Amino acid sequence: QKEVEQDPGPLSVPEGAIVSLNCTYSNSAFQYFMWYRQYSRKGPELLMYTYSSGNKEDGRFTAQVDKSSKYISLFIRDSQPSDSATYLCAGSYNTNAGKSTFGDGTTLTVKP
Amino acid sequence: GAVVSQHPSRVICKSGTSVKIECRSLDFQATTMFWYRQFPKQSLMLMATSNEGSKATYEQGVEKDKFLINHASLTLSTLTVTSAHPEDSSFYICSARDPWERGGREQYFGPGTRLTVT
Repeated sequence: QKEVEQDPGPLSVPEGAIVSLNCTYSNSAFQYFMWYRQYSRKGPELLMYTYSSGNKEDGRFTAQVDKSSKYISLFIRDSQPSDSATYLCAGSYNTNAGKSTFGDGTTLTVKP
Repeated sequence: GAVVSQHPSRVICKSGTSVKIECRSLDFQATTMFWYRQFPKQSLMLMATSNEGSKATYEQGVEKDKFLINHASLTLSTLTVTSAHPEDSSFYICSARDPWERGGREQYFGPGTRLTVT
């Protein structure tokens, strides 16, 4: 079993829709959770970063972490064609040497 | 956010030659950098963790003699693919972790290097 599971999609939505991207994880030691966006043939770009459980909002993006159910979500409001990309979730330990464990990514297409 | 650069962005080499890829943190010092490999439409596969001033830590199944990593300074890590073969063709991405002392936990990624071995 992978430590971080993510539905690969692909997910296709019309412009303006609310998008919900989800991950589950199995390692209860994870304390930090990240969402990255990766455009084709580019390196991943950090979108959101949260610590422990709770919500974090940044513009059209909201990240949620529920540690009790080991569930991570990213919501995109008013989705735009420029949001079309692969979204990667990741979890990390609470240590200085901790590396992040990534999900396989969900490919999103927002159609104009 | 922090900026990480990679060079070259794209390289084509002949089978049997060696290729060096550089990863630089431009506006912060990174004691830890990571090297990933990514095949088309697949996720990131961690190859090794590069620690400044010490030997890299390789993931299981990654040949340390084939993928040489040097982290000579706090802003530069290099990955050398030795005696490259066509199956080494891939997208190689590095990342640098924001220093723990600055309160950072997240990784910042470089733009990637596409290696094609002919």
